[in-house]
Amino acid sequence: GDSVTQMEGPVTLSEEAFLTINCTYTATGYPSLFWYVQYPGEGLQLLLKATKADDKGSNKGFEATYRKETTSFHLEKGSVQVSDSAVYFCALSPTGGGNKLTFGTGTQLKVEL
Amino acid sequence: SAVISQKPSRDICQRGTSLTIQCQVDSQVTMMFWYRQQPGQSLTLIATANQGSEATYESGFVIDKFPISRPNLTFSTLTVSNMSPEDSSIYLCSVAQVNTDTQYFGPGTRLTVL
Repeated sequence: GDSVTQMEGPVTLSEEAFLTINCTYTATGYPSLFWYVQYPGEGLQLLLKATKADDKGSNKGFEATYRKETTSFHLEKGSVQVSDSAVYFCALSPTGGGNKLTFGTGTQLKVEL
Repeated sequence: SAVISQKPSRDICQRGTSLTIQCQVDSQVTMMFWYRQQPGQSLTLIATANQGSEATYESGFVIDKFPISRPNLTFSTLTVSNMSPEDSSIYLCSVAQVNTDTQYFGPGTRLTVL
């Protein structure tokens, strides 16, 4: 079945540092890929998405590129802020829609001054 | 994207009791889902709430424990029945339009069972 693997956290960075959170997936065909963010005490917010190979999703300075050859969708940001502290979830939706999301285990990011 | 609200936002309940969580969307949506997020864990899909028919449950979840209603295209409820401390989790609803791949989530309900 489909699965998503994320790097374990917590990841602790200083403000303005470069961020990478690794995400790889196992799925047939061409799933859609997502990053969701969960701020402390809140629900999940869609951060960005990509629906086909080589697509780049971007939002709020975050980027992720859909790499079919490496089955990856790594999240990056050039300069993190304290306000980016949250848990980040990578997820996939199977080829052809179907609405059923498979989530990774989540990666906690802590950004310090 | 749709605006989704949940009630209550949090609750503390005694074991053996039941709690009903409401999910309200500000526009008609075809798909509504209920997830559980246990402490420090990822999200697990409980069921898909179907309008006018019984919900579709995932493996490991049953209707007697998690009855779901969906009377229309903007509203659904999830009941956590005969609660035990193991039911302490965040419960989230999400919505999507059929044949689209993006789900939008509500703010969640934090449940603590003593």
